[in-house]
Amino acid sequence: DTAVSQTPKYLVTQMGNDKSIKCEQNLGHDTMYWYKQDSKKFLKIMFSYNNKELIINETVPNRFSPKSPDKAHLNLHINSLELGDSAVYFCASSATGGDSPLHFGNGTRLTVT
Amino acid sequence: KQEVTQIPAALSVPEGENLVLNCSFTDSAIYNLQWFRQDPGKGLTSLLLIQSSQREQTSGRLNASLDKSSGRSTLYIAASQPGDSATYLCAVSGDYKLSFGAGTTVTVRA
Repeated sequence: DTAVSQTPKYLVTQMGNDKSIKCEQNLGHDTMYWYKQDSKKFLKIMFSYNNKELIINETVPNRFSPKSPDKAHLNLHINSLELGDSAVYFCASSATGGDSPLHFGNGTRLTVT
Repeated sequence: KQEVTQIPAALSVPEGENLVLNCSFTDSAIYNLQWFRQDPGKGLTSLLLIQSSQREQTSGRLNASLDKSSGRSTLYIAASQPGDSATYLCAVSGDYKLSFGAGTTVTVRA
């Protein structure tokens, strides 16, 4: 069983389009995250949610809108895609927000042309 | 703002040699420090987690130390194997987020 699963694995789209990435965790964790890994492989937090509530929004453009319908899901919707949005997006979860280990999904490689 | 630095950026060693990967961070107010492994095109696999009250953690050939006061952690991998080739990332935990270093890419030559 995959603990943190995200779909799709690859996403190729044109500038200006709107797309969504889905994430689900079956670990019973309270906290979920979205991270962005850029072309230099640097991982940076985008959002943290705890029990469906937004905790951290790390200066991400408002074209990015996370949605958590329940504790096990955190989806990422991106409007008006730009070339600079091309990156690998990772979903993760942890039991609590601070002192428990993070479990990552396998990533979604987004390419905007 | 937490800054995490990993040195060196890349490392190439012959099989059997021990690996030493360094991580430093600027803010010592952390919950824990995690070491991850990332294979090309894949997600992150957690290797070790050291709570802020601990000095080290061991798992098999891996040993990680933490000196919170000086803002440093070291990951030791004993008797390296070609299968250890990957990028190793360290991350420090604050409230509801991890701050990552840029990683050390390791190549173990057979």
